Amino acid sequence: AQTVTQSQPEMSVQEAETVTLSCTYDTSESDYYLFWYKQPPSRQMILVIRQEAYKQQNATENRFSVNFQKAAKSFSLKISDSQLGDAAMYFCAYNAGNMLTFGGGTRLMVKP
Amino acid sequence: SQTIHQWPATLVQPVGSPLSLECTVEGTSNPNLYWYRQAAGRGLQLLFYSVGIGQISSEVPQNLSASRPQDRQFILSSKKLLLSDSGFYLCAWSDTGGYNEQFFGPGTRLTVL
Repeated sequence: AQTVTQSQPEMSVQEAETVTLSCTYDTSESDYYLFWYKQPPSRQMILVIRQEAYKQQNATENRFSVNFQKAAKSFSLKISDSQLGDAAMYFCAYNAGNMLTFGGGTRLMVKP
Repeated sequence: SQTIHQWPATLVQPVGSPLSLECTVEGTSNPNLYWYRQAAGRGLQLLFYSVGIGQISSEVPQNLSASRPQDRQFILSSKKLLLSDSGFYLCAWSDTGGYNEQFFGPGTRLTVL
């Protein structure tokens, strides 16, 4: 069974600084997708970024980028120029066909 | 564009009462549909998913059931609520074909007293 692990229950970052959230996963599949979701205090789950496992190039979306290391089964999220609105729970998720497996989440606090 | 609706937004129910949470999707056809539960400060637990009308797969044996009476409607039910059913319930949809990201509704906060 696939598992997703987020080893950092909480992280904090100073506004305008950069922070990296860690995620590792365990799978025997070769073809899969990885995602980062953001859950602000409203609790709406918002897709931040996605990465296809067959692509070597790391995905980027504005201030958000990933470091995808397929051999190491690692998928970290980097947030640059952190803003107060980035404060939220962040969930890493894995999909190898129809279903997502989520990590336990990392709570990100942004200090003004 | 696609939108997903859930209601009610908040619900307080006594132990032993029935439950019906509704989820509808607009702007897409034949979506995969999902029900998740999230305990406070925790990750998401997949409860049910559906790839078509009347097709329901259960991931966790429990006091809950799901139905899909129409293509874009997904209902979560219980005949008798337990205290442990309290939580935040999220509905999600994705395109068919696997590997796709899921898009989530605003959620329902259920408190069982």
